[in-house]
Amino acid sequence: RKEVEQDPGPFNVPEGATVAFNCTYSNSASQSFFWYRQDCRKEPKLLMSVYSSGNEDGRFTAQLNRASQYISLLIRDSKLSDSATYLCVVNFVGSQGNLIFGKGTKLSVKP
Amino acid sequence: DTAVSQTPKYLVTQMGNDKSIKCEQNLGHDTMYWYKQDSKKFLKIMFSYNNKELIINETVPNRFSPKSPDKAHLNLHINSLELGDSAVYFCASRQGGNTEAFFGQGTRLTVV
Repeated sequence: RKEVEQDPGPFNVPEGATVAFNCTYSNSASQSFFWYRQDCRKEPKLLMSVYSSGNEDGRFTAQLNRASQYISLLIRDSKLSDSATYLCVVNFVGSQGNLIFGKGTKLSVKP
Repeated sequence: DTAVSQTPKYLVTQMGNDKSIKCEQNLGHDTMYWYKQDSKKFLKIMFSYNNKELIINETVPNRFSPKSPDKAHLNLHINSLELGDSAVYFCASRQGGNTEAFFGQGTRLTVV
């Protein structure tokens, strides 16, 4: 089983749509979780951290299920500017706390 | 001010050459990383390093070596470049614990 797995995508949705991304991780002792966004030919940037109780930031909602080792990201009312690749990131237990990235899911929001 | 900066942004070189990519962070972070993003866009960790410990991903060829002159810098040296080394290399830093990482703009390496 791969360390961090995501929906392969791509997701092509119209403006205003609600879209959900899923992610699973293999290390049950993982400590922290993030969603990053990467635009074409740019560096990854933090979108939001994911907390055990779930958290929301505007149109974005992140959820964590430790028992199922599952993370999700929900985007409501999609905008054209949301088009990007969304990366699920897990902090694995270890002396360095290495951040392991999923392969990412590409989102294209169309007019 | 750029938090994590890499140079050069683009690097084109011939097979067999030796090259270096520099990375500097001004965030005062304890841990720095090198990631490789290949043509399939998969971000793969290569090294993580703080002033106490270097952790190397065992799949990374020993032609790749990190050099850290001080806490704010982690440079990447690559010997005997191969065509398969062509990729985008990202430097990142974080404070440690459960904090997020900040990335440099990336270095697009093309080996011809």
